[in-house]
Amino acid sequence: SQKIEQNSEALNIQEGKTATLTCNYTNYSPAYLQWYRQDPGRGPVFLLLIRENEKEKRKERLKVTFDTTLKQSLFHITASQPADSATYLCALDGTNAGKSTFGDGTTLTVKP
Amino acid sequence: DAGVIQSPRHEVTEMGQEVTLRCKPISGHDYLFWYRQTMMRGLELLIYFNNNVPIDDSGMPEDRFSAKMPNASFSTLKIQPSEPRDSAVYFCASTLSRGSGNTIYFGEGSWLTVV
Repeated sequence: SQKIEQNSEALNIQEGKTATLTCNYTNYSPAYLQWYRQDPGRGPVFLLLIRENEKEKRKERLKVTFDTTLKQSLFHITASQPADSATYLCALDGTNAGKSTFGDGTTLTVKP
Repeated sequence: DAGVIQSPRHEVTEMGQEVTLRCKPISGHDYLFWYRQTMMRGLELLIYFNNNVPIDDSGMPEDRFSAKMPNASFSTLKIQPSEPRDSAVYFCASTLSRGSGNTIYFGEGSWLTVV
């Protein structure tokens, strides 16, 4: 069955360091992958989308990579700040699937 | 745009009661999704609509759950009768023309507690 795994439920890093979050999937051939941020008590908010034919995508301090051979996406936050503390979810979609499947999320805490 | 609007934001109800959650998607969006989020199971897709028509309800847990979308600007998720295990955050989300990598916009959620 299709499965999405995000690395460790929690990740703690020091301010200024680079946070790296992992999203691995099995039995899936997504056309694209998305990353969302969720703050406590709020709905997920879209951050970045990367397509299967793209290796890397950047947006300000955020960088996403997508390796369809390894079936893995890495999400990087450079120069992390305490305000980056949140839960980050990856979501996969197949072509015209019409629905997204979400990972369980990784909770990032950036300490000052 | 006001975003996806859900109501109520919080609901506490007794087991056996009917619960109705409401959603107004972003104007112009043709897809609407209902998700449920719990600590144990994460974010699960319950059902989604395209142009007001239910496309996939395979995630609906059981017959106690039903969803409708009478028009492009309104949808409901109903639980009857409710049970304690239905306690969760229910998110409504919408997007435009899925299949092309469009962003999903979530509401703030309806926090349901069944006692």
